[in-house]
Amino acid sequence: QSVLTQPPSVSGTPGQRVTISCSGSRPNIESNHVYWYQQLPGMAPTLLINRSNQRPSGVPERFSGSRSGTSASLAISGLRPEDEADYYCAAFDDSQTVWLFGGGTRLTVL
Amino acid sequence: EVQLLESGGALVQPGGSLRLPCAASGFTFSDHGMSWVRQAPGKGLEWVAFISGSGSKTYYADPVRGRFTISRDNARNTLYLEMNNVRVEDTAVYYCVKFDGDYVLYTMHVWGQGTTVTVSS
Repeated sequence: QSVLTQPPSVSGTPGQRVTISCSGSRPNIESNHVYWYQQLPGMAPTLLINRSNQRPSGVPERFSGSRSGTSASLAISGLRPEDEADYYCAAFDDSQTVWLFGGGTRLTVL
Repeated sequence: EVQLLESGGALVQPGGSLRLPCAASGFTFSDHGMSWVRQAPGKGLEWVAFISGSGSKTYYADPVRGRFTISRDNARNTLYLEMNNVRVEDTAVYYCVKFDGDYVLYTMHVWGQGTTVTVSS
């Protein structure tokens, strides 16, 4: 089954803005919402961005999501040390009737 | 407060079987679709299966179709994953996940803490 493509790693310094991309195709990202999950070290994933660009209650405004065509992105502004984590995008694929996850992006705060 | 508590993780031999329960509380269980998602050691997330609130609709990832069965007991507020003919590549932490509605296109909203399955001889 096809997967969504993310960069393996990104990094930034405190206060900087970083973006994480998620590339897919028509049956998934172009047709359905994208979700972003944050996984802190040793923890279960938590929902970070809902329905492409909505922040669940409790998620800081520093986190934002967008989707255009077959790609989506997660932006984190005002980077903080506690943002160091793995980030995953996810979308449902209509043609395979399966949920797909990106390979994950490790964010390092230098 | 929504709680999802997985259990049943164990060391199992290749070709063996295992059943993972997930006890749910804090919400009306039958109103929500549920999934299992796994994560192999040091790897990313992989969706395994989905079941609708009534149990009438199920979807599976290709690597597990025909070997794994997702089911639920709404009277007991419990989700299950029956794993048969397991393979070394099924070794992973298995997460129970609650959707925010009863439809496969809704949000995978709340995750349990996971249970570890190790397949090895």
